[in-house]
Amino acid sequence: NAGVTQTPKFRVLKTGQSMTLLCAQDMNHEYMYWYRQDPGMGLRLIHYSVGEGTTAKGEVPDGYNVSRLKKQNFLLGLESAAPSQTSVYFCASSYSVGALGETQYFGPGTRLLVL
Amino acid sequence: AQRVTQPEKLLSVFKGAPVELKCNYSYSGSPELFWYVQYSRQRLQLLLRHISRESIKGFTADLNKGETSFHLKKPFAQEEDSAMYYCAPPDQTGANNLFFGTGTRLTVIP
Repeated sequence: NAGVTQTPKFRVLKTGQSMTLLCAQDMNHEYMYWYRQDPGMGLRLIHYSVGEGTTAKGEVPDGYNVSRLKKQNFLLGLESAAPSQTSVYFCASSYSVGALGETQYFGPGTRLLVL
Repeated sequence: AQRVTQPEKLLSVFKGAPVELKCNYSYSGSPELFWYVQYSRQRLQLLLRHISRESIKGFTADLNKGETSFHLKKPFAQEEDSAMYYCAPPDQTGANNLFFGTGTRLTVIP
């Protein structure tokens, strides 16, 4: 049981390049999330998904796209990377929401540097 | 719009001293609040949640509706408590989304 895994762990991009970050979970969770973590900003939600085939925008969605073709995978895409997207990206997953909220389980993070 | 405030970005205490990490929220309704922790080179993980009223690793957090606070406390800090701590109330605009505070980095000095 690997929990939540992220690929790659680290990547350097040039401005304008594209890439896809992969998140996988083996806990059969319905909900998945992508966050970015920046110094002094905490974690901010980029996009999330409440089930296979569905996605929704979070707090900072601009410049990113996501897809949830399979329940266990949640992909985050950068079509044209910008230096402002230099950050650490975290994926998380949780069971479908209970009445009072469910624990989120996080991946180890992907460190992205855009030059 | 709800928001959560963690007023201290950095907090240093000596080993054995009490520690309190502050969290204030503006929230309508009865909040379910969480504290998440990120130790060095480890992934973010749940520390405790208000509803469970547990004490995890000696930490407790009391919801004070009058002060709209959910401060995290521990009577005697340990070196292994050094980490980044995030207060997180639910984001009412999204299913099970959390609205993370900016975090407090706790350093316990030996």
